[in-house]
Amino acid sequence: DIVLTQSPDSLAVSLGERATINCKSSQSVFSSSDSKHCLAWYQQKPGQPRKLLIYWASTRESGVPDRFSGSGSGTDFTLTISSLQAEDVAIYYCQQYCTLPLTFGQGTKVEIK
Amino acid sequence: EGQLLESGGGLVQPGGSLRLSCAASGFTFDIYAMSWVRQAPGKGLEWVSAISDTGGTTYYADSVKGRFTISRDNSRTTLYLQMNSLRAEDTALYYCAKSPTGAIVGVPWGYFDHWGQGSLVSVSS
Repeated sequence: DIVLTQSPDSLAVSLGERATINCKSSQSVFSSSDSKHCLAWYQQKPGQPRKLLIYWASTRESGVPDRFSGSGSGTDFTLTISSLQAEDVAIYYCQQYCTLPLTFGQGTKVEIK
Repeated sequence: EGQLLESGGGLVQPGGSLRLSCAASGFTFDIYAMSWVRQAPGKGLEWVSAISDTGGTTYYADSVKGRFTISRDNSRTTLYLQMNSLRAEDTALYYCAKSPTGAIVGVPWGYFDHWGQGSLVSVSS
């Protein structure tokens, strides 16, 4: 199974500052048939359904604010929140969908400093 | 906007059975693949099973293969998970999730653009 390890487990960032979450894969998550990296990012807020933010490592889901961006290649990926807003307090998960079983990172909790 | 609402969770003894349902609304259910994902208390997310739009193709995690059965009723826009021979380690919040495609071959189906709120399954004597 592909293991995804997120870092840090939690971080506190001041409002308006940048938040960076890393996701490292135990194997490549590159799909040669699609020529893209099969890596997604989700946001989980208390009491709300999990929300898709990014897929194909860097494609923003419709309606997601452009302060959220995804980057990376090979086995190392990053979710960046360019200017943290109060409503961004949540747990963030990465997920690979190249290979079964689909697997998720352990989650990173983002708080306001 | 699509919505998914799980139901059917509860407390069951080890070795028992339970059937979860996921009622879908707000999107054309029968053209999208669906999955179940679970999260045990204090643990990470674990993908459990997936089913194609027609129900003709299914996949399972090794941890539930032979014990769980995923199915769907497109006329009722409902996804199901029949869980048999339940174990303590099956205790979790079970989420249904919608894929962006209908087929579950290749890669593009495996991320989820809609999630439910979850249904809690507790396996204990």
